[in-house]
Amino acid sequence: DTGVSQDPRHKITKRGQNVTFRCDPISEHNRLYWYRQTLGQGPEFLTYFQNEAQLEKSRLLSDRFSAERPKGSFSTLEIQRTEQGDSAMYLCASSPRLAGGVSGDTQYFGPGTRLTVL
Amino acid sequence: GENVEQHPSTLSVQEGDSAVIKCTYSDSASNYFPWYKQELGKRPQLIIDIRSNVGEKKDQRIAVTLNKTAKHFSLHITETQPEDSAVYFCAARRYSSASKIIFGSGTRLSIRP
Repeated sequence: DTGVSQDPRHKITKRGQNVTFRCDPISEHNRLYWYRQTLGQGPEFLTYFQNEAQLEKSRLLSDRFSAERPKGSFSTLEIQRTEQGDSAMYLCASSPRLAGGVSGDTQYFGPGTRLTVL
Repeated sequence: GENVEQHPSTLSVQEGDSAVIKCTYSDSASNYFPWYKQELGKRPQLIIDIRSNVGEKKDQRIAVTLNKTAKHFSLHITETQPEDSAVYFCAARRYSSASKIIFGSGTRLSIRP
C-alpha cells in the first residue's frame, strides 16, 4: 500500500495519560497535515508541515498538543494529559510537490487513528 | 472568519435519480474547492475538485458548479447507484497562503433501491 499510513488505528487511554500517533505520508510528498474529526462533523484543521517546518497551527491545537516532523518524512502528534474531549478521529494527509516547487492542491488522507479517552 | 456551510445534512434519493448537495463559503480569497467522499469507517477520498477560474467541471456521473459571486458551489450526482451511499464533504481552500482545507459538516447520502 503506497498511500498515507497511520499508526495505531485505534487507541484507548485513560484521562490524564499521554498518547502519540504516527503518520507516514506518501513518499516524497512535501506537505503533511493533521486534522481532527468528531462524529458527524467534517475534519478540522490542526496543523501542517512543509518538509520539516511547521508552518501553521490552529487555535484548536492547545498547549497539550505537539506535532513534529523531524526529518521531513513521517510525523508524530502527541497529546499530553488527555481529556475526554480529545476523543476523536485524528487524520493525517499529505500533498505532493509539483514541478517548480509548487505544492499540489490534492490532499490524500490516511485511515486515521481513533482515540477514545475514558 | 473562514466557514463552509453545507446542506442538506442528510439526503435520501431513489436509485437512478439525481442528488444535489450545496455549499457556501465565507472567505472570498478561497479559490480551490474539493469534494470528498467518506464511507463508513474509511478515509476521506477526493472525488472531484474545481478551481475558481472554472464555473463547472464534470467527471462521468459527477459534476460541480461554482458561483464565485454568490460564494456558492454544488455537487451533482446523476444516475445514482447504491455505491454512492456515503458522507460527502465540500471544502474550500486558499491557494496563495494557508494550505489548510476548511470542510463543511457533511451530507449523509443514502440511495434507496
